[in-house]
Amino acid sequence: GENVEQHPSTLSVQEGDSAVIKCTYSDSASNYFPWYKQELGKRPQLIIDIRSNVGEKKDQRIAVTLNKTAKHFSLHITETQPEDSAVYFCAGSGGYQKVTFGTGTKLQVIP
Amino acid sequence: ETGVTQTPRHLVMGMTNKKSLKCEQHLGHNAMYWYKQSAKKPLELMFVYNFKEQTENNSVPSRFSPECPNSSHLFLHLHTLQPEDSALYLCASSQGTGPYEQYFGPGTRLTVT
Repeated sequence: GENVEQHPSTLSVQEGDSAVIKCTYSDSASNYFPWYKQELGKRPQLIIDIRSNVGEKKDQRIAVTLNKTAKHFSLHITETQPEDSAVYFCAGSGGYQKVTFGTGTKLQVIP
Repeated sequence: ETGVTQTPRHLVMGMTNKKSLKCEQHLGHNAMYWYKQSAKKPLELMFVYNFKEQTENNSVPSRFSPECPNSSHLFLHLHTLQPEDSALYLCASSQGTGPYEQYFGPGTRLTVT
């Protein structure tokens, strides 16, 4: 089955700086890679996803890149703000297989 | 309430008790999931149901027993739990298994004494 590894487990950045979270996956058949954000005390929510037919996707201050050859994908947050502080989960899925989540990255944006 | 709801939101139970967690989704989805969230394993999949049929049991101990009577409702029956089972239990639903957004409920905070 799919195995998704996520790094780093914690990340602290100054407000306004960029943050990058990286994930690797094991199943070359995986073709769907979502990212979820979980704020303290709240439920995880999808913030962006990418499918294997594209290499990059942007949505305002967040972007995700995918390297299928190397089997890794990354979340980039630019101009970080305090409200970006949360735990971020990457995930991978192939076909109609279940989505496998990474172990999460706790991002702290320091004002 | 719309989306995915869970009851109760908080539950304290002794190791000999029997209790049930309930999840309901109002999104017309076909797949439902139970996750366990703890400090050690931030998002651990327990069970997957697709069109009411269990498609995944992630080596979960038998003291957790899921039930999915229809595509909108999912239960997790608990009996003779251990203190290490204390965690946040999240329910989620999606259009189907695979490349679809999962919508999570608010979770049930379970404490086993």
